[in-house]
Amino acid sequence: DSGVTQTPKHLITATGQRVTLRCSPRSGDLSVYWYQQSLDQGLQFLIQYYNGEERAKGNILERFSAQQFPDLHSELNLSSLELGDSALYFCASSVGTFNSPLHFGNGTRLTVT
Amino acid sequence: DQQVKQNSPSLSVQEGRISILNCDYTNSMFDYFLWYKKYPAEGPTFLISISSIKDKNEDGRFTVFLNKSAKHLSLHIVPSQPGDSAVYFCAASEGAGNNRKLIWGLGTSLAVNP
Repeated sequence: DSGVTQTPKHLITATGQRVTLRCSPRSGDLSVYWYQQSLDQGLQFLIQYYNGEERAKGNILERFSAQQFPDLHSELNLSSLELGDSALYFCASSVGTFNSPLHFGNGTRLTVT
Repeated sequence: DQQVKQNSPSLSVQEGRISILNCDYTNSMFDYFLWYKKYPAEGPTFLISISSIKDKNEDGRFTVFLNKSAKHLSLHIVPSQPGDSAVYFCAASEGAGNNRKLIWGLGTSLAVNP
């Protein structure tokens, strides 16, 4: 058990809808990362937060947004969903120091129909 | 353009033998490399890492070798066990401060046969 909790595990929704994915980081970790893994794709970095503030941005679409709350949990909001957004979305956390390893949750599988 | 390449999508090894997973990279600015293991229906788990100032790091049955001139690293698992069957991801990082980036390979699926 990595200590990172992601909810929900599965999500099925229709195109054009909006969903929110939730992540609780490992106790003591200040950094939260969001990744997307599509079929036959590696892990694509979306965004990172550190202690409530955005630290780094990857290939995150404008339709997607995230935030980290004072209790350090994070939410990833996906809107105007398209079929191509179907993927596994992973949250990871770390203590946030240089090269500290990431601890991943078990992911949320999003299916857009 | 894939900066981190794991050219073997899958590998099959007999229990007790050595498993060698390979990773090539193109960016000479990468200064830290990590291997993660992923079981089905779980997130990746950190396995072992190596800094670019070293050429070898060992942790129990797992050893990572780095050849900077060839821009190549490999993960050796000795002896391989059925529980090692998983997808292995190679990742590399570069940059400073808020610009630090971690780039992932597509993974190699390892099957260790009893």
